[in-house]
Amino acid sequence: NAGVTQTPKFQVLKTGQSMTLQCAQDMNHNSMYWYRQDPGMGLRLIYYSASEGTTDKGEVPNGYNVSRLNKREFSLRLESAAPSQTSVYFCASRGVGTSNQPQHFGDGTRLSIL
Amino acid sequence: KQEVTQIPAALSVPEGENLVLNCSFTDSAIYNLQWFRQDPGKGLTSLLLIQSSQREQTSGRLNASLDKSSGRSTLYIAASQPGDSATYLCAVPPGNSGGSNYKLTFGKGTLLTVNP
Repeated sequence: NAGVTQTPKFQVLKTGQSMTLQCAQDMNHNSMYWYRQDPGMGLRLIYYSASEGTTDKGEVPNGYNVSRLNKREFSLRLESAAPSQTSVYFCASRGVGTSNQPQHFGDGTRLSIL
Repeated sequence: KQEVTQIPAALSVPEGENLVLNCSFTDSAIYNLQWFRQDPGKGLTSLLLIQSSQREQTSGRLNASLDKSSGRSTLYIAASQPGDSATYLCAVPPGNSGGSNYKLTFGKGTLLTVNP
């Protein structure tokens, strides 16, 4: 039961470097999400993809780009990393249908930018 | 803009005690309410989801209630165990979340410690 898989689990970058965080789900879910979690701020939505081929901005999209590569995969890219992007990044997915579909989360990517 | 508040921020109880975690939200037009558990260094695990038309949901020793009109939800944990130690978060999507608009607003969580 893989669920939502995120890679890498840990990463250290220097300011100005670029990086792509990978996320894949094996539950045939239509919707996928990227959140960041910071102390004192809670979880905040960066971008989401309601279905394959669509992406939309969340609460904190600046400095990020996303790609919904196919139904399974949703990647998050930092083009020029900044120390303010040091955070734990979570990917989530959700099936469609009735209102009782919960979001399922990966274990996160811990990203430090020096 | 929806705001979700969780009180208390931290709670420490002895093993065996029954406890209640609180979640409040400012906009009562919600689609559902979801309770999650987060263990240190891990992702979020969904515990219970209450639809907007429901009053409560139960799973084992957990019971979640929802009062939309007052903007409140509670998570009741019976006979707490050390293994229940974790951060508990609640989250709500906006009322017009049918289809493509399903986006969660999270509270900051309650850190629960159950002492043996």
